[in-house]
Amino acid sequence: DAGITQSPRYKITETGRQVTLMCHQTWSHSYMFWYRQDLGHGLRLIYYSAAADITDKGEVPDGYVVSRSKTENFPLTLESATRSQTSVYFCASSELDLLNTEAFFGQGTRLTVV
Amino acid sequence: GDSVTQMEGPVTLSEEAFLTINCTYTATGYPSLFWYVQYPGEGLQLLLKATKADDKGSNKGFEATYRKETTSFHLEKGSVQVSDSAVYFCALSRRSNDYKLSFGAGTTVTVRA
Repeated sequence: DAGITQSPRYKITETGRQVTLMCHQTWSHSYMFWYRQDLGHGLRLIYYSAAADITDKGEVPDGYVVSRSKTENFPLTLESATRSQTSVYFCASSELDLLNTEAFFGQGTRLTVV
Repeated sequence: GDSVTQMEGPVTLSEEAFLTINCTYTATGYPSLFWYVQYPGEGLQLLLKATKADDKGSNKGFEATYRKETTSFHLEKGSVQVSDSAVYFCALSRRSNDYKLSFGAGTTVTVRA
């Protein structure tokens, strides 16, 4: 399917476990992003990537790890999940830059840490 | 750093009412401004954008004008429909900040028939 897909859509995990959220896009967009959405905070950037093998921290990177070995994939790993990481996570991609193009968002992954 | 402030919701309207959602921003330089919409159970999608001062973005009956003098980008629609019920996010990006989007907190809009 064309577009940007996230998996899983829903995940419940226990405190201290490692969990990986997957993101795959079919457009070969250069830029990819991970956001978390929390009530009252809007969306906050966790990590982003300008190209394969290039990643950088966003606003709230602590406790998360990313990699981008292939242009189309941008997994987000919670190394040791905490309750404060309970959130809805959105992956996005865009071509070139956001100044003149739009970002395309996945449907989100709702993560609950118990 | 960059920040975006939106009017707090939730906002409840009747069909055909006028909708306005205020958005102001703080950023150095000349950011691009966006409105994204999130329908229930879905990801965000771009509603409209403006890349320079006095530009007007428009889509699906929604409009917003980039006002640099007041650092604002208010969203308006003259006659809303039930299908406009969604969460609306104002956002900005700057070239000098690696084009990262900074979002407001979002405004939930419910339109009743």
